[in-house]
Amino acid sequence: AQKVTQAQTEISVVEKEDVTLDCVYETRDTTYYLFWYKQPPSGELVFLIRRNSFDEQNEISGRYSWNFQKSTSSFNFTITASQVVDSAVYFCALSSASGGSYIPTFGRGTSLIVHP
Amino acid sequence: EAQVTQNPRYLITVTGKKLTVTCSQNMNHEYMSWYRQDPGLGLRQIYYSMNVEVTDKGDVPEGYKVSRKEKRNFPLILESPSPNQTSLYFCASSLYDFRMGPSPIPLHFGNGTRLTVT
Repeated sequence: AQKVTQAQTEISVVEKEDVTLDCVYETRDTTYYLFWYKQPPSGELVFLIRRNSFDEQNEISGRYSWNFQKSTSSFNFTITASQVVDSAVYFCALSSASGGSYIPTFGRGTSLIVHP
Repeated sequence: EAQVTQNPRYLITVTGKKLTVTCSQNMNHEYMSWYRQDPGLGLRQIYYSMNVEVTDKGDVPEGYKVSRKEKRNFPLILESPSPNQTSLYFCASSLYDFRMGPSPIPLHFGNGTRLTVT
């Protein structure tokens, strides 16, 4: 079985603050993939990043960065110098080979509110 | 433009009146799936399909039906909707190449269907 836990239900910050969204996962598989998706107030779901289990390098994309640590089964997402446009619900997801397929499991999401 | 198209965007109906939410993708994706999103519960998978005529239950299939007669379409059918099916529904698709082994390409999501059952 696979599981994704996003313990932070809601985070509220003021613009320009840095913020980290936590994601902890569980899987028995050695090969798996982790994802982050963004859901802005308009409602659509937008893919942000995919990381496979063999690549523990951290990734940076502009103000966004991701810290993948297999030792703690975490795949945390940091937004540097947050902006109001970052306000959204963010979902972490896991795909592993459990049961012979890579059906993704989503966390419950973290709602980020960035105040001006 | 590559996209997943859901219709309708908004739907209000009454208990017991059969409805269908359509989903179509133009990317020739093998894998399609339906999710419902409820406050505090995140995205929960209802049904998924690995290819034409291949469908399987997700985590919350009760009260729903699907069909996959063509690769591009994956409609969600509520034969007798109930108020507890009031939710935001998303269709999603991705590549799933059985010849190469499973490789989860990121999901492409539709824009969602907000369903209210009174």
